Amino acid sequence: EVQVLESGGGLVEPGGSLRLSCAASGFTFSSSAMNWVRQAPGKGLEWVSVISDSGSNIYYADSVKGRFTISRDNSKNTLYLQMNSLRAEDTAVYYCAKGGSGSHLNWFDPWGQGTLVTVSS
Amino acid sequence: DIVMTQSPDSLAVSLGERATINCKSSQSVLYNSNNKNYLAWYQQKSGQPPRLLIYWASLRESGVPDRFSGSGSGTDFALTIGSLQAEDVAVYFCQQYYSIPLTFGQGTKLEIK
Repeated sequence: EVQVLESGGGLVEPGGSLRLSCAASGFTFSSSAMNWVRQAPGKGLEWVSVISDSGSNIYYADSVKGRFTISRDNSKNTLYLQMNSLRAEDTAVYYCAKGGSGSHLNWFDPWGQGTLVTVSS
Repeated sequence: DIVMTQSPDSLAVSLGERATINCKSSQSVLYNSNNKNYLAWYQQKSGQPPRLLIYWASLRESGVPDRFSGSGSGTDFALTIGSLQAEDVAVYFCQQYYSIPLTFGQGTKLEIK
């Protein structure tokens, strides 16, 4: 079964940092682009970042550019999101989602269960 | 950025009736070289992550009931649920994957009348 599972969320103060992880299984991780998508409480979906299968191509939403860093370790089938300079508006459930093979322009399937990040003092 | 606008924001339909959700993109998401519309639909039930229903605007994901169908091209798209079931109560989102940033519609809340 194709699965992704996020971890690393929690409560952090404004200006703080947090690192999210996403463990993948059931598919060839090294052949798939991977994404982070977030959802603020009671709100819609916002794409955050995508990394290509090899890690050579990376894109970010303007709202996180310069503060967040996406990376991957294909030997561990794991995706990461390093979040620095966190703001209250970054509070959200963060989903890891599998992208396509061969392109960073793709739908998201499957999605993980999400990990909640709360930025508050 | 491509802005995705869904209508209506909420919808109440009787069991067994048809439900249609619309999605409009601010620019075409049809890629002329392959004649494909870079548009997907998702279903999100309360407390759950989104689930892919439709990709390439009209292709149903494996395991999705055939009462769900997608249509449209260019800038105007629709998700139709042919005969509403109780388990279809959810929020539905469209998403374009034509260009970065990947963007979603604001969501349409579907309820039973």
